Amino acid sequence: QVLLEQSGAELKKTGSSVKVSCKASGGTFRTYSINWVRQAPGQGLEWMGGIIPVFGTGKYAQKFQGRVTITADESTSTAYMGLSSLRLEDTAVYFCVVGLTFDDWGQGTQVTVSS
Amino acid sequence: QSVLTQPPSMSADPGQKVTISCSGSSSNIGNNHVSWYQQLPGKAPRLLIYDTNYRASGTPDRFSGSKSGTSATLVITRLQAGDEADYYCGTWDRSLSVGLYVFGTGTTVSVL
Repeated sequence: QVLLEQSGAELKKTGSSVKVSCKASGGTFRTYSINWVRQAPGQGLEWMGGIIPVFGTGKYAQKFQGRVTITADESTSTAYMGLSSLRLEDTAVYFCVVGLTFDDWGQGTQVTVSS
Repeated sequence: QSVLTQPPSMSADPGQKVTISCSGSSSNIGNNHVSWYQQLPGKAPRLLIYDTNYRASGTPDRFSGSKSGTSATLVITRLQAGDEADYYCGTWDRSLSVGLYVFGTGTTVSVL
């Protein structure tokens, strides 16, 4: 089992950017499939994108292309999700998830966007 | 918005059975394994079933998964109060227009 510790809640203005971190412990970080999933208030789960550190390049849902960047730092076993040009509708809980079948989930990071 | 359709809600008495459907297409369920996730109120989701019908570590044998064509099913038998949660199906999708991984719309299970 992989333990995932995410960074704390963020309050952002519309048009700004946010970067959420996810530190992993257990297993071999460089071969993980690391994904980011978000959940808006009262809504379902939405996949944003993912990365396998050993390959280095993130893959993203078309909806977020151009606004999201997912990276991984093998030296610290930490993954990052950056989202730019924030909109009110980006208010959500953001989860990092490890595994091709989404086996292990972080605790979630609340991102609130206000005008 | 989601390409996988689930019933919004289901309810049953304790001890009864609940069957949750997840309908997709040939670009997702029809050609890939399905996972199921349980999200208790206020908690992060957790993996229940992977590769269509394998229980994740810690998943009671009251939970089972299956698939037929472009639809998948999660069955919960001997329903308990602690099973009250939202349940989501998920799978990889070959259609780049929707994203590489897709989740179902979610089903809220209530125990009467």
